[in-house]
Amino acid sequence: DVKVTQSSRYLVKRTGEEVFLECVQDMDHENMFWYRQDPGLGLRLIYFSYDVKMKEKGDIPEGYSVSREKKERFSLILESASTNQTSMYLCASSRAIGTRNGNTEAFFGQGTRLTVV
Amino acid sequence: GQNIDQPTEMTATEGAIVQINCTYQTSGFNGLFWYQQHAGEAPTFLSYNVLDGLEEKGRFSSFLSRSKGYSYLLLKELQMKDSASYLCALQKTGYKLSFGAGTTVTVRA
Repeated sequence: DVKVTQSSRYLVKRTGEEVFLECVQDMDHENMFWYRQDPGLGLRLIYFSYDVKMKEKGDIPEGYSVSREKKERFSLILESASTNQTSMYLCASSRAIGTRNGNTEAFFGQGTRLTVV
Repeated sequence: GQNIDQPTEMTATEGAIVQINCTYQTSGFNGLFWYQQHAGEAPTFLSYNVLDGLEEKGRFSSFLSRSKGYSYLLLKELQMKDSASYLCALQKTGYKLSFGAGTTVTVRA
């Protein structure tokens, strides 16, 4: 059974703290993504990576950084957490080459609900 | 972004049919996805359209019209377990997915 695993389901951190969110996938996927999900706004892409040590900014990268040292692991870093970063964070992965019709569906982790106080 | 619009909420009766519309404004994209997300759970893949037309998968069907900037997800023979959020997403170059805000469907007995 394919799996994307996020290290924590719930986290509570203080303003100004450094926060690490870890994500591991066991499908040998090239692409990995970090999204945040907020009510009324849907999923918004923070960063994605298409290969080891490669990363690209998504739509809302400010206040975040990422690390991909190994193919299976993609980390999201909040260098100085702020209250407006309270959200649900979702990691996803997908293959680089799609199926016959180009389908490169993304598989999601269970999410980390981060509260910054 | 891609200005992807979906209705916020829909309610339907068990056994009925519900159609969730998704409209978008973008110059080009690889394909359009629909995902299902139950409360507190991860989104899971439902369907993918790359060409115009209807893709049928059991009780769920998805339609795409690129010229009209329009897609819909059709849920037939609704069951209580279909109560969830349904997310429309466009895939542009680089395999990035851009999501709409989602439609929460409530199925009532």
